[in-house]
Amino acid sequence: EVQLVESGGGLIQPGGSLRLSCAASGFTVSSNYMSWVRQAPGKGLEWVSVIYSGGSTYYADSVKGRFTISRDNSKNTLYLQMNSLRAEDTAVYYCARDGGIGGMAWGQGTLVTVSS
Amino acid sequence: QSVLTQPPSVSGAPGQRVTISCTGSSSNIGAGYDVHWYQQLPGTAPKLLIYGNSNRPSGVPDRFSGSKSGTSASLAITGLQAEDEADYYCQSYDSSLSGWDVVFGGGTKLTVL
Repeated sequence: EVQLVESGGGLIQPGGSLRLSCAASGFTVSSNYMSWVRQAPGKGLEWVSVIYSGGSTYYADSVKGRFTISRDNSKNTLYLQMNSLRAEDTAVYYCARDGGIGGMAWGQGTLVTVSS
Repeated sequence: QSVLTQPPSVSGAPGQRVTISCTGSSSNIGAGYDVHWYQQLPGTAPKLLIYGNSNRPSGVPDRFSGSKSGTSASLAITGLQAEDEADYYCQSYDSSLSGWDVVFGGGTKLTVL
């Protein structure tokens, strides 16, 4: 069974940094396309970043240059390093396995609040 | 502003049929990319409801069905039940310099009257 468990969220001041983790089980992270998707309070879903099985990474324009997606194959874990955080980055962050034609499988999410 | 367009809200009485549309363009749905649908119950993570335009994962009732035509897709729910009250999102891919980007609809809130 596919399982994704996010952690690392919390309250952070504007300009600060935070690293989110997503521990996967039931499949191999490095063999899949893995995405981060966020949802601001009361808003819809917004794709943030993806890492392909080959290691290529891509970002939404809103986070480009500030966020970095990575993975640790030995830990079967996905990460999102978030720097220069802004109030508008406040959201629940979900990691997801992108199964292509099979759709996305989601974790339970972790809340990031950027506020002074 | 979302790349895929959904109605903000739909409603129906128990037992009725409702549909939710998802309108894209020639660079996403019209380019042949698959459409997936997710159900998000209040306070929970999105859950895959329909994949590959019209396929249901194991455990999803056959009251839920999906279709795709041209640059649009639709989710239909028949025999509406109170527990169907949730937000529904469509998702596809959009052609970009990197190959393709994941794109979502803005979401549709379903109210069961």
